[in-house]
Amino acid sequence: EPEVTQTPSHQVTQMGQEVILRCVPISNHLYFYWYRQILGQKVEFLVSFYNNEISEKSEIFDDQFSVERPDGSNFTLKIRSTKLEDSAMYFCASSWKETQYFGPGTRLLVL
Amino acid sequence: EDQVTQSPEALRLQEGESSSLNCSYTVSGLRGLFWYRQDPGKGPEFLFTLYSAGEEKEKERLKATLTKKESFLHITAPKPEDSATYLCAPNYGGSQGNLIFGKGTKLSVKP
Repeated sequence: EPEVTQTPSHQVTQMGQEVILRCVPISNHLYFYWYRQILGQKVEFLVSFYNNEISEKSEIFDDQFSVERPDGSNFTLKIRSTKLEDSAMYFCASSWKETQYFGPGTRLLVL
Repeated sequence: EDQVTQSPEALRLQEGESSSLNCSYTVSGLRGLFWYRQDPGKGPEFLFTLYSAGEEKEKERLKATLTKKESFLHITAPKPEDSATYLCAPNYGGSQGNLIFGKGTKLSVKP
């Protein structure tokens, strides 16, 4: 069964460093998303992406965040200068229509 | 403001003891309501999509129902492997629809 994959599974970084989280969505899906979940809190929408551009973004997705689909299979989330409060689980999701399928997540720890 | 409330926050059941989880929402332009299951440290796993009041969906011991303002996830004769956090997420529209997650109900089923 096709699934969304994410790498790395864990990432530790120093405050102020750039990180890139990678996702391989399900192959025939057209819509791509990033969500985050701070420990013990709810899953929060960050950004959606379709046809090589951002469709919608939340207030959380400020100028330090960017997304890219560099080739036909990968979808990336870049955080330019990480802050302590960026520590969270980051989930990629993809969909063909409305139903979104989530990856296993990348746990990001900013020290 | 759009809001999703799930209750109870936590539920402990004995194996075989049926119960229901509640999700109430105040979302304009609803384009479906999604139920996900989340195991600790994992990504949300899709369970059901409901689109209109009166609709019901079933999968093994789970049945989801939808009214205009609430959705219920009924668990019949649960087993320990049903232990997880169950997340409700209305899809509120936008360019392709993005999910607003509730905080979830953490279900524990004891043998």
